[in-house]
Amino acid sequence: QVQLVQSGAEVKKPGASVKVSCKASGYTFSDYYIHWVRQAPGQGLEWMGRLNPHSGAADNEQRFLGRVTLTRDTSISTALLEVSSLRSDDTAMYFCSRGSRLYGDLSLIDYWGQGSLVIVSS
Amino acid sequence: QSALTQPASVSGSPGQSITISCTGTSSDVGGYDFVSWYQQHSGKAPKLMIYEVNARPSGVSNRFSGSKSGIVASLTISGLQAEDEGDYYCSSYTSDSTVLFGGGTRLTVL
Repeated sequence: QVQLVQSGAEVKKPGASVKVSCKASGYTFSDYYIHWVRQAPGQGLEWMGRLNPHSGAADNEQRFLGRVTLTRDTSISTALLEVSSLRSDDTAMYFCSRGSRLYGDLSLIDYWGQGSLVIVSS
Repeated sequence: QSALTQPASVSGSPGQSITISCTGTSSDVGGYDFVSWYQQHSGKAPKLMIYEVNARPSGVSNRFSGSKSGIVASLTISGLQAEDEGDYYCSSYTSDSTVLFGGGTRLTVL
């Protein structure tokens, strides 16, 4: 069965960086997009970006350009999200999720990880 | 980009039907048949309920259905059950090749 297992909670100071990992299993990692979505406490879902694990190419939401980096290590079927220059409003649950097969529906998200809580506080 | 517009809350009694709307623009909902709907229970990850406007993933009850007219997509839940209570989000592919979510709708089963 498809599973996405994310790394644990992190507490960071403003200005620092955080890296969240997402290990996929139950399917061929390189064949499906990976999306990152975050949710601030009590707020809605916010799309951050989409990674093509086969090529390594990523499409990021404009407002995150320059602060968010999406990468992957195909040898261990793991996607990585790095957010730099953290601010207090980056405090959120960060979800990795599986998208469609490559070159399919670029917005489809069918499986979600359990989420990784990132708290930014001085 | 602003979030897709959803009502903040809807409610219904068990057995009734409810519809949640999701209003976008011609650059997202109106331009593509790539609208999805997600259910989220408190403290849990979202769950895909509808994709590509009206397709249902395996295992999702046929009480859930989707549709679209112009720039407005809709999710209808028929035969409302207590377990349907939660937050619902729509999403759409956009002309910028990004994904835009709605602000979310809290469904209360009375």
